[in-house]
Amino acid sequence: DTTVKQNPRYKLARVGKPVNLICSQTMNHDTMYWYQKKPNQAPKLLLFYYDKILNREADTFEKFQSSRPNNSFCSLYIGSAGLEYSAMYLCASSIRQISNERLFFGHGTKLSVL
Amino acid sequence: AQKVTQTQTSISVVEKTTVTMDCVYETRDSSYFLFWYKQTASGEIVFLIRQDSYKKENATVGHYSLNFQKPKSSIGLIITATQIEDSAVYFCAMREGSNYNVLYFGSGTKLTVEP
Repeated sequence: DTTVKQNPRYKLARVGKPVNLICSQTMNHDTMYWYQKKPNQAPKLLLFYYDKILNREADTFEKFQSSRPNNSFCSLYIGSAGLEYSAMYLCASSIRQISNERLFFGHGTKLSVL
Repeated sequence: AQKVTQTQTSISVVEKTTVTMDCVYETRDSSYFLFWYKQTASGEIVFLIRQDSYKKENATVGHYSLNFQKPKSSIGLIITATQIEDSAVYFCAMREGSNYNVLYFGSGTKLTVEP
């Protein structure tokens, strides 16, 4: 099974409320990523876990949290959603030590904040 | 500064023709890896083809091939015998050898294949 699964596919959230998105993979990949994708823009890396180590991009450091309780599972948490968080959130995984290894992406979760 | 640039925002072609999508990248690394992905209508991002910087031969997979021009920091995607199902947004991406963790994406080119 070479798939990355994301739940839910669509998420509606209210401004100021928390949001939790879930991702899983069964390929035993050591690295899991979260990207944010807005229309007509490049996917933007938010953070990634290499094994149990979380790395967050500097410009989104305070906006997103994540947890990875085991190798297969990774979540993305928004403490207080704002309108600007409306986007597609893409989870991906790979084996970090293989430098030319491609990323495997999930179908994404489309988040709409109202 | 943008590390990966796709200047073509959209392209429209007739079915069964050949299309080329442009991509230029910027890196100081001597070793790097270039990828093309496709985003389908459902939003899923699918890997298509890869070029390692140290390989001189252009990569080819099915009806996808690459035009790697290293001196120009350019990696074009060529789709031959296009089909309606090829309609999608195509993203170019780069990973530098000095930083495996980050995959830099371009902003994408929307391809429409018409009958």
